[in-house]
Amino acid sequence: DAGVTQSPTHLIKTRGQQVTLRCSPKSGHDTVSWYQQALGQGPQFIFQYYEEEERQRGNFPDRFSGHQFPNYSSELNVNALLLGDSALYLCASSMPGPEQETQYFGPGTRLLVL
Amino acid sequence: AQKVTQAQTEISVVEKEDVTLDCVYETRDTTYYLFWYKQPPSGELVFLIRRNSFDEQNEISGRYSWNFQKSTSSFNFTITASQVVDSAVYFCALSEARYGGATNKLIFGTGTLLAVQP
Repeated sequence: DAGVTQSPTHLIKTRGQQVTLRCSPKSGHDTVSWYQQALGQGPQFIFQYYEEEERQRGNFPDRFSGHQFPNYSSELNVNALLLGDSALYLCASSMPGPEQETQYFGPGTRLLVL
Repeated sequence: AQKVTQAQTEISVVEKEDVTLDCVYETRDTTYYLFWYKQPPSGELVFLIRRNSFDEQNEISGRYSWNFQKSTSSFNFTITASQVVDSAVYFCALSEARYGGATNKLIFGTGTLLAVQP
């Protein structure tokens, strides 16, 4: 049973560029959440997708947007990149039912903005 | 407001020592969930345990044990007979229950870096 997968693993961009990160949830999971983890910090919630809609959003600007596809996979888009967007971006998925509160994380995408 | 505090930034122990990682949380909700995750150098967050606010039973899983005390808003994690492979950053996290059956966002602490020396 494959876990949560993310691509790419690493990415280098320059200020002002746009980036798209991808996530495939665990089999049977229908909810995808995205987190940003700056160096030495705990992950910060960006947003969550369920049934192809953004259901919850953290304190991130509109430059951060996302999408969920019918197969439950998800994308995170960041426009007009800033140096401060350099971080590890983590995707997490969860399943419907009694275990819905537990989120399982992927390996992350390390983004460096120069 | 929701908040998770992990006051220990770094802990260094020698193999076979026992070590306890502290976690203190704040929430106004009566129904909530507490978690511990392990983050090895590879970066992936590995789920270790989830605890419901209405279940204060302590739990043991092999060398790992968790002590949940609502009276002190703490959810501490103990590793018995630590091993080098336990070296990682450990995060405590909180989520509040949502009506309508939905996954809620996780609020993480800043993590504790555990270094186990051989």
